[in-house]
Amino acid sequence: DVVLTQTPVSLSVTLGDQASISCRSSQSLEYSDGYTYLEWYLQKPGQSPQLLIYEVSNRFSGVPDRFIGSGSGTDFTLKISRVEPEDLGVYYCFQATHDPLTFGSGTKLEIK
Amino acid sequence: EVQLQESGPGLVKPSQSLSLTCSVTGYSITSNYWGWIRKFPGNKMEWMGYISYSGSTSYNPSLKSRISITRDTSKNQFFLQLNSVTTEDTATYYCARFPPGAYWGQGVMVTVSS
Repeated sequence: DVVLTQTPVSLSVTLGDQASISCRSSQSLEYSDGYTYLEWYLQKPGQSPQLLIYEVSNRFSGVPDRFIGSGSGTDFTLKISRVEPEDLGVYYCFQATHDPLTFGSGTKLEIK
Repeated sequence: EVQLQESGPGLVKPSQSLSLTCSVTGYSITSNYWGWIRKFPGNKMEWMGYISYSGSTSYNPSLKSRISITRDTSKNQFFLQLNSVTTEDTATYYCARFPPGAYWGQGVMVTVSS
């Protein structure tokens, strides 16, 4: 199985500052069709996970441009600029390139 | 608007089967892929498996001998059955449409306990 290693486990950020989360894969996530199926989700307290980013860097509809996904191959990053109160929760990376699909272990974002 | 809704018992006894239904509105399950995911107490998320637009299935090997995902296209529903459950199957279960995972149900908490 593909292992996604997310760091840090938790993050305490001052409102207005930037946050950065790393997701490293145990193997390349580039599929044979040339796409890389790496997604980012935020699960807010008491809610279902919500899609932020798909195919590494594409923001889903309605996601603020403060959320920026980047990376390739095995190394990926989610940056959140100008953190706002509604950004708190647990962030997950997720790969849909290789079966079985797998999630990272999660990064809990707290507001200082 | 695409909406998914899980339903099923919140309490299952050890060694019994867990059965959940995902009812989909606003989109046909004969398109895309439809998955089951669970979140354990704490933060661990596990992809359980999916059923495709054609009815083919793929399961997480860690569950392969216990899991079955089926569908009823006439009702636009798909189903999860997990056999021989133990307390380690206690989790919140979600259904979702992929790819990408833009639409999820609200989740159903299932406790395995005698």
